[in-house]
Amino acid sequence: GAVVSQHPSRVICKSGTSVKIECRSLDFQATTMFWYRQFPKQSLMLMATSNEGSKATYEQGVEKDKFLINHASLTLSTLTVTSAHPEDSSFYICSAHNIDSSSTDTQYFGPGTRLTVL
Amino acid sequence: EDQVTQSPEALRLQEGESSSLNCSYTVSGLRGLFWYRQDPGKGPEFLFTLYSAGEEKEKERLKATLTKKESFLHITAPKPEDSATYLCAVQAAGGSYIPTFGRGTSLIVHP
Repeated sequence: GAVVSQHPSRVICKSGTSVKIECRSLDFQATTMFWYRQFPKQSLMLMATSNEGSKATYEQGVEKDKFLINHASLTLSTLTVTSAHPEDSSFYICSAHNIDSSSTDTQYFGPGTRLTVL
Repeated sequence: EDQVTQSPEALRLQEGESSSLNCSYTVSGLRGLFWYRQDPGKGPEFLFTLYSAGEEKEKERLKATLTKKESFLHITAPKPEDSATYLCAVQAAGGSYIPTFGRGTSLIVHP
């Protein structure tokens, strides 16, 4: 149980294009999902908190118009990197909070998406 | 501000050589402390949640313990497949579910 998927796992795009990353909780409902960014050999950097049916809450320094987040259902959140540039190249990871879990505070992570912007 | 410090930053062990990873934390009331394992190019895999001092949890060769100031992840007789980065995170009581992560300990187990 508590499986989170991400799609795509890897994407290469040209500078200026937009890229959408999907995060799904496969066997549980998640009212809250989180989006992280991770640079090589560094820890996770929280970008935003996504709540089902409401606007995402962005961390300081994260451009909301650059990183569009939509949480349309209890099992799906999407992150769209708009007008991507090489500096947006990174490893993006989502996590979901399992509201039905006995460990109600635990987040479960997706496998991550490697974005490379040329 | 909540803080999590993991040590050592990197650890090399021989297969079978037991050791411990440390996670020191400061938080205004602990809701939970989490341990994750992360393999290169993958998302973190959940290992344990600890809620109160004195609590211990085990899974195969791993055992996590918790005090009021720190947590240890003990690795008994490690195998090469235990090689990974181990992340610790704390969640403060009250408010959001957003955890604060440490920078991780990179563990390499040599055969």
